[in-house]
Amino acid sequence: AQSVSQHNHHVILSEAASLELGCNYSYGGTVNLFWYVQYPGQHLQLLLKYFSGDPLVKGIKGFEAEFIKSKFSFNLRKPSVQWSDTAEYFCAVGGSQGNLIFGKGTKLSVKP
Amino acid sequence: DSGVTQTPKHLITATGQRVTLRCSPRSGDLSVYWYQQSLDQGLQFLIQYYNGEERAKGNILERFSAQQFPDLHSELNLSSLELGDSALYFCASSPRVLREQFFGPGTRLTVL
Repeated sequence: AQSVSQHNHHVILSEAASLELGCNYSYGGTVNLFWYVQYPGQHLQLLLKYFSGDPLVKGIKGFEAEFIKSKFSFNLRKPSVQWSDTAEYFCAVGGSQGNLIFGKGTKLSVKP
Repeated sequence: DSGVTQTPKHLITATGQRVTLRCSPRSGDLSVYWYQQSLDQGLQFLIQYYNGEERAKGNILERFSAQQFPDLHSELNLSSLELGDSALYFCASSPRVLREQFFGPGTRLTVL
């Protein structure tokens, strides 16, 4: 069965620090990959997506992710975080039926 | 604002009761997905409809059912409610299967 693993449950950073959140998936076929963000009390918002092509994907708010097929990974990065990036981040893989399979999420706390 | 609307925002009810959650997808989106978000299970896919027809089922209990109407809005019916059904229920829509999904604000269900 398809699954998504996010390595860190809670990450605490100071403003201007660099961010990398790990995501690994298990699925042997063609994958569609996503990162969503959930700000406190809000709904999920799409940060970025990968369907095919350039494995380095740029999203909104300065986020990017790199698809490494050999490692089954799709890590999220941001060179310099801001306090407003405090949120929960979810990695997801598109299932064969079109549904999304989510990781458990990583809470990011950015200290001002 | 994703363009997906959900009502009600909050719902408080008692065990054994039945409730209906409503979702209106983004204009033009034919696919509607329902997800449950709880602290212990994370984000779980429940069910998907495409242009009025059920397309896929996930971890949906037999006490739960859904439908999509000709105007493409969808309803999720939860019956014989138990304490463990307390969760956030999200609806998402996409223009077609295997593409990114846009999430609504969710309905927070509390079963007392």
